[in-house]
Amino acid sequence: NAGVMQNPRHLVRRRGQEARLRCSPMKGHSHVYWYRQLPEEGLKFMVYLQKENIIDESGMPKERFSAEFPKEGPSILRIQQVVRGDSAAYFCASSPDLAYEQYFGPGTRLTVT
Amino acid sequence: ELKVEQNPLFLSMQEGKNYTIYCNYSTTSDRLYWYRQDPGKSLESLFVLLSNGAVKQEGRLMASLDTKARLSTLHITAAVHDLSATYFCAGDNSGGSNYKLTFGKGTLLTVNP
Repeated sequence: NAGVMQNPRHLVRRRGQEARLRCSPMKGHSHVYWYRQLPEEGLKFMVYLQKENIIDESGMPKERFSAEFPKEGPSILRIQQVVRGDSAAYFCASSPDLAYEQYFGPGTRLTVT
Repeated sequence: ELKVEQNPLFLSMQEGKNYTIYCNYSTTSDRLYWYRQDPGKSLESLFVLLSNGAVKQEGRLMASLDTKARLSTLHITAAVHDLSATYFCAGDNSGGSNYKLTFGKGTLLTVNP
């Protein structure tokens, strides 16, 4: 059973461009969480999604960030008009149901130049 | 809102020595997790602690949970260089509809020969 997959693993964007990060959960998992790890900071929750629904986006910056988890295909974290402060590692985690352990993907390391 | 505090944040040990990392949390958490992260890598799940008094051991690492004191510990026995990494504890916000993880800031462990 393949683990959580994220791509790309490394992404370089210039200021003002868009970044799209993809997360394919483990087979049979319908719950996806996104976390961000900024340099010198710990991991922080961003958003929790179930298929076609955003359940909790309380950790998402108010502007430029959005997330989706469509019926078919991976979950997408989208950052518009990136700034240097968006440079971070973005991890997604999936679980088969609420209250089950989350399994983490390898992360996407975003660098904004 | 759950808050998680780890200490120490930096730990330099000699091989063969024992030490403990502490994790305090502010409110009820269904589970307490310990993760290991190597530089540039994802999170590796070490332990999931479910109930008061839970103790789990894997190799030179042992984790325990005291829900009354809201304290978890990660004890390292006879440290070896391979244990050098950052260790995170996390609680899940047992908020009914969301089990997002709240992480401590991490403990950077360096084991010196």
